[in-house]
Amino acid sequence: EIVLTQSPGTLSLSPGERATLSCRASQSVSSSYLAWYQQKPGQAPRLLIYGASNRATGIPDRFSGSGSGTDFTLTISRLEPEDFAVYYCQQYGSSPRFTFGPGTKVDIK
Amino acid sequence: EVQLVESGGGLVQPGGSLRLSCAASGFTFNTYWMSWVRQAPGKGLEWVASIKQDGSEKYYVDSVKGRFTVSRDNAKNSLDLQMESLRAEDTAVYYCARDSGWNAGSYYYYMDVWGKGTTVTVSS
Repeated sequence: EIVLTQSPGTLSLSPGERATLSCRASQSVSSSYLAWYQQKPGQAPRLLIYGASNRATGIPDRFSGSGSGTDFTLTISRLEPEDFAVYYCQQYGSSPRFTFGPGTKVDIK
Repeated sequence: EVQLVESGGGLVQPGGSLRLSCAASGFTFNTYWMSWVRQAPGKGLEWVASIKQDGSEKYYVDSVKGRFTVSRDNAKNSLDLQMESLRAEDTAVYYCARDSGWNAGSYYYYMDVWGKGTTVTVSS
């Protein structure tokens, strides 16, 4: 089973700053299998990035994904007030079919 | 509008059963895998189960194997999760989600449409 580790656990930043979130896999993951989600309190997760670097429909271009193999990154170029949330990476595997990282909380400094 | 709406959650005693449903609309349901994902209070996301377009393949997280059964009715655009022998650790918000798809000629694995969730509480 591939385990995903996200860092940092919490990222305290101010609006306008750049956020860099890391997702590390215990084994190599195909880029096609790696996605990122945003979740705000009381809401369902929202797909941001699929295939490691492709923005989902309607996602602003301040969100970008990169990486390959075992190291993946979600970057928010300039934080807007609505970006303060929890972010999860997810990978597809044989068993279990999907696993999620523990999440990174981006909160207001 | 593409939409998923879950129902069926509630309070159930340990050892009890519950059936969750998810009504899909706005997309061609029978062309997508569908999944259930849960989130325990204050915790992260956990994939629970997935079912192939025609129901011929089903996958479960180890912790629910033998207790939960995922099914779908393509004629009714609906997805179900039958939960038996419920435990306190099954307490969570349960989301149904549209699973994976083709983009620009490549197949990707993700969940791009989510319902708002239904809450299951297992407690005496």
